[in-house]
Amino acid sequence: EDQVTQSPEALRLQEGESSSLNCSYTVSGLRGLFWYRQDPGKGPEFLFTLYSAGEEKEKERLKATLTKKESFLHITAPKPEDSATYLCAVQGYTDKLIFGTGTRLQVFP
Amino acid sequence: GAVVSQHPSWVICKSGTSVKIECRSLDFQATTMFWYRQFPKQSLMLMATSNEGSKATYEQGVEKDKFLINHASLTLSTLTVTSAHPEDSSFYICSARAGSRTVVYNEQFFGPGTRLTVL
Repeated sequence: EDQVTQSPEALRLQEGESSSLNCSYTVSGLRGLFWYRQDPGKGPEFLFTLYSAGEEKEKERLKATLTKKESFLHITAPKPEDSATYLCAVQGYTDKLIFGTGTRLQVFP
Repeated sequence: GAVVSQHPSWVICKSGTSVKIECRSLDFQATTMFWYRQFPKQSLMLMATSNEGSKATYEQGVEKDKFLINHASLTLSTLTVTSAHPEDSSFYICSARAGSRTVVYNEQFFGPGTRLTVL
């Protein structure tokens, strides 16, 4: 059964304090691993797609990496506006997105 | 690019009434649209997948007669919650995946969500 586990559940950072969010997954035939950002009361906002182990993608202060078992979302020198819930999802042979429960990030000035 | 809208953004209705939620892809054609439900502090739960011009595929445990989905065009899908009850109160989010009849992209782009409250 396809499964996604995200850790930590919640993360509090001081502005400028870099950290990483983890997404562990098991999936039959990985077609893609996706990272989304979700603000309270809004729909998820697409960040990255990773397709194969070793792949990395960057956008501003965010960098996503992928291995055969997990993905990391690295946040470098975060700002308060980076506060949100970050969701990881995988797509396997079933074509559906299987989401993790997310990491709630709070960045304090 | 890749903008998805939902209407309404919130709705309050009486128990027993029906509510229709629209999902539109504004700047791309979406051969496939998805409907999710999200409870407070929980992740997204897929309810159904709809392909333009064909019947929706519902996930196990989702009542297809209660949650009617129509995907009449490449830019519009609707979800109708029939005979709504308080337990149907939730945050409903749609997503759209770009593609044509020969090419399908992987990324799903999400709408802003609709907050449904049934009294």
